[in-house]
Amino acid sequence: AQSVTQLDSQVPVFEEAPVELRCNYSSSVSVYLFWYVQYPNQGLQLLLKYLSGSTLVKGINGFEAEFNKSQTSFHLRKPSVHISDTAEYFCAVSGFSSASKIIFGSGTRLSIRP
Amino acid sequence: GAVVSQHPSRVICKSGTSVKIECRSLDFQATTMFWYRQFPKKSLMLMATSNEGSKATYEQGVEKDKFLINHASLTLSTLTVTSAHPEDSSFYICSAAWGETQYFGPGTRLLVL
Repeated sequence: AQSVTQLDSQVPVFEEAPVELRCNYSSSVSVYLFWYVQYPNQGLQLLLKYLSGSTLVKGINGFEAEFNKSQTSFHLRKPSVHISDTAEYFCAVSGFSSASKIIFGSGTRLSIRP
Repeated sequence: GAVVSQHPSRVICKSGTSVKIECRSLDFQATTMFWYRQFPKKSLMLMATSNEGSKATYEQGVEKDKFLINHASLTLSTLTVTSAHPEDSSFYICSAAWGETQYFGPGTRLLVL
């Protein structure tokens, strides 16, 4: 069975400050890892994904994440946030196929203060 | 590319009626689509996996007779909420599998009065 833990339900930061959203996963097999962003009343948009290869993954909107197998983590980072980054962020895992179930974390609400 | 649409974007219905939600992959074919439900300020919960030309696979605790799923073509899956009740009010999101990624629709907000 697979599970995803997002330790922080809310993360408030000031505009232009760096941010890290934490994600830990549990799985008995190798997985794909994802970060999705959800703006209010909208669906999910893929920020980035780790399938294989380099453990540092760069995504859209200046976000990046690092896969750490030993710590079973996939933390999301951005060096300088903007007001427009205010949204809900979901970490997720799936098996080695797009037809595999995606298991989502509980989400982290990122709020940016001016 | 890889755009998924949902229709309608929001619907209000009376208790006891049925509501159909469509999920379409616009520029790719998807053998597998997924239906999720999201409660306010909560994460997405997988309801069922929809495979083209075969019966959907429902997650534990999801009533298959209440949430009817049909995947009649490689670009369309439908979710019908039968005899809807206020507790069925929620945000329903579909996704379609393509390549190594699932692409999500914009969601449908259902309000049952």
